[in-house]
Amino acid sequence: DIQMTQSPSSLSASVGDRVTITCRASQSISSYLNWYQQKPGKAPKVLIYAASSLQSGVPSRFSGSGSGTDFTLTISSLQPEDFATYYCQQSYSTPYSFGQGTKLEIK
Amino acid sequence: QVQLQESGPGLVKPSETLSLTCTVSGYSISSGYYWGWIRQPPGKGLELIGSIDHSESIYYNPSLKGRVTISVDTSKNQFSLKLNSVTAADTAVYYCARAPALGYFDYWGQGTLVTVSS
Repeated sequence: DIQMTQSPSSLSASVGDRVTITCRASQSISSYLNWYQQKPGKAPKVLIYAASSLQSGVPSRFSGSGSGTDFTLTISSLQPEDFATYYCQQSYSTPYSFGQGTKLEIK
Repeated sequence: QVQLQESGPGLVKPSETLSLTCTVSGYSISSGYYWGWIRQPPGKGLELIGSIDHSESIYYNPSLKGRVTISVDTSKNQFSLKLNSVTAADTAVYYCARAPALGYFDYWGQGTLVTVSS
């Protein structure tokens, strides 16, 4: 099975900051990497699919990059509504697996 | 607008069977896509349980060791989850969701908390 490891596990930042979250796969997953945002008590929401494609309706301050084993999610200028937990997910091979999450908190 | 809604008991006794149904509106299951179940134990991360498509091609996560059954009823536009021999470790919020062929989940239900307790 492919293991997904996110770093950091938690992060404190301020409104307006540029933030980067990293996801590493235990083997190459090409570009089959997706990013989700989850707020407390809510279902996850897809932000980025196929490593760098922005889901319809998602603000352009979110971007994704990477291929193979190393991927990043970048938020160019944090907004108050961006404080949440972020998960990566590989869809290269079953069982599709998620990272452990990165909790983004207000500094 | 595609919407998914989970339904089923919120409390299940240990060793019994957890049964949930996902009702889809705004899109016909028989038109395509994969339809999956994902769970999240309280305060923890996400785990894919399995998925099914309109032709009843099914995938189960091997970590659940044969305890899972997923089925689809295209006439009702629903798909279902059964998880047998449950323990406290199966306590979680259970989500149903839709996935395009690329394997990401683009529409989710609101989730339903299932507690396993006597």
